[in-house]
Amino acid sequence: KAGVTQTPRYLIKTRGQQVTLSCSPISGHRSVSWYQQTPGQGLQFLFEYFSETQRNKGNFPGRFSGRQFSNSRSEMNVSTLELGDSALYLCASSLLPTDTQYFGPGTRLTVL
Amino acid sequence: AQKVTQAQTEISVVEKEDVTLDCVYETRDTTYYLFWYKQPPSGELVFLIRRNSFDEQNEISGRYSWNFQKSTSSFNFTITASQVVDSAVYFCALSDVGAGGTSYGKLTFGQGTILTVHP
Repeated sequence: KAGVTQTPRYLIKTRGQQVTLSCSPISGHRSVSWYQQTPGQGLQFLFEYFSETQRNKGNFPGRFSGRQFSNSRSEMNVSTLELGDSALYLCASSLLPTDTQYFGPGTRLTVL
Repeated sequence: AQKVTQAQTEISVVEKEDVTLDCVYETRDTTYYLFWYKQPPSGELVFLIRRNSFDEQNEISGRYSWNFQKSTSSFNFTITASQVVDSAVYFCALSDVGAGGTSYGKLTFGQGTILTVHP
């Protein structure tokens, strides 16, 4: 069974731009969670989607948004990028929201 | 609110030594799950183990073992006879079934412990 895939793997953007990251969950998994990892803040929860609905959201500004499609694939969007948004963005999928999460390789975003 | 503390920022050992990574958690829920993940230099978080709050049995998987003690809110991870390939960042995480499902899909992570195993 294929694991969680994330595209692109690396991105370089400039301040003020917006970016969209994509996540394809493990086949059959319906819950997708997103995390931001930075050296200073560690791993922080962004949001979780299940059956195309956002069920939970972390403490991030409204510039961070996401969605989930009927095939469980998910995208997250960051608008008006700031330097502090430079991070590794990790996506995880699970069968249900309370099940074990399996992570993708991440997208490394650099904001210049 | 949930909180996970990994007091050891970095640990350095020589191959074949045993090493224990500490994890202390806080939650007000009675039903919760504890996890350990490994993050090698490639960046992907690799799942190692999940325990639920009602199962305090220790677990052993090859060279890995886990000690869960609710009385001290700890979930420690021991690697026996460490190997160079064990070098990675290890994260302890907590997921609780909060009231109204507000914690669904959310893992709260500790700050991680960087383990370096020297040959």
